[in-house]
Amino acid sequence: QQPVQSPQAVILREGEDAVINCSSSKALYSVHWYRQKHGEAPVFLMILLKGGEQKGHEKISASFNEKKQQSSLYLTASQLSYSGTYFCGTEINFGNEKLTFGTGTRLTIIP
Amino acid sequence: GAVVSQHPSWVICKSGTSVKIECRSLDFQATTMFWYRQFPKQSLMLMATSNEGSKATYEQGVEKDKFLINHASLTLSTLTVTSAHPEDSSFYICSIQRGTYEQYFGPGTRLTVT
Repeated sequence: QQPVQSPQAVILREGEDAVINCSSSKALYSVHWYRQKHGEAPVFLMILLKGGEQKGHEKISASFNEKKQQSSLYLTASQLSYSGTYFCGTEINFGNEKLTFGTGTRLTIIP
Repeated sequence: GAVVSQHPSWVICKSGTSVKIECRSLDFQATTMFWYRQFPKQSLMLMATSNEGSKATYEQGVEKDKFLINHASLTLSTLTVTSAHPEDSSFYICSIQRGTYEQYFGPGTRLTVT
């Protein structure tokens, strides 16, 4: 079953913060986060592994709560370039490689 | 990072014809490639896992006779949509997994069936 993301869509002003959530009905080994611009391929942002630490770089970070089978992506001081649709991709077993993508969150940053 | 190319980037075909989409790994030998389909404003749905030198593994609900996958070499996988119909119109994206975790996606192929 496809992971559910929330919110479905959000509009922010430049400089504001956003949190995107990804919730799975299955136990997860890893969660991947991707951003996709319209008409383009998804671009890898980061991966969180079971038992691993919270990850982040610059103003984008993420957490993974294994017990709740949830992950959250945090965007701070958002920039116009952050606009796009964010997908979480979940992996059930190590080495399984198959990713099941979430429902997506459309983020629009306005000046 | 790994570079993945797809050809063509877009294609328009008539209903009933077949279309072949190529996915190439330009700087990495990929034993496994993935094919996804994405309808407008929807998420990516995994169609099949392409394995070099062996048969592809299809996800439930994906017709293997309609979506033919050939992974003839470590750098090339092809997806052929046979007897295409308008409902097959979609954005088809391939990806490879390099290393243990990260997947690299191709630029996608937009198929329109008229």
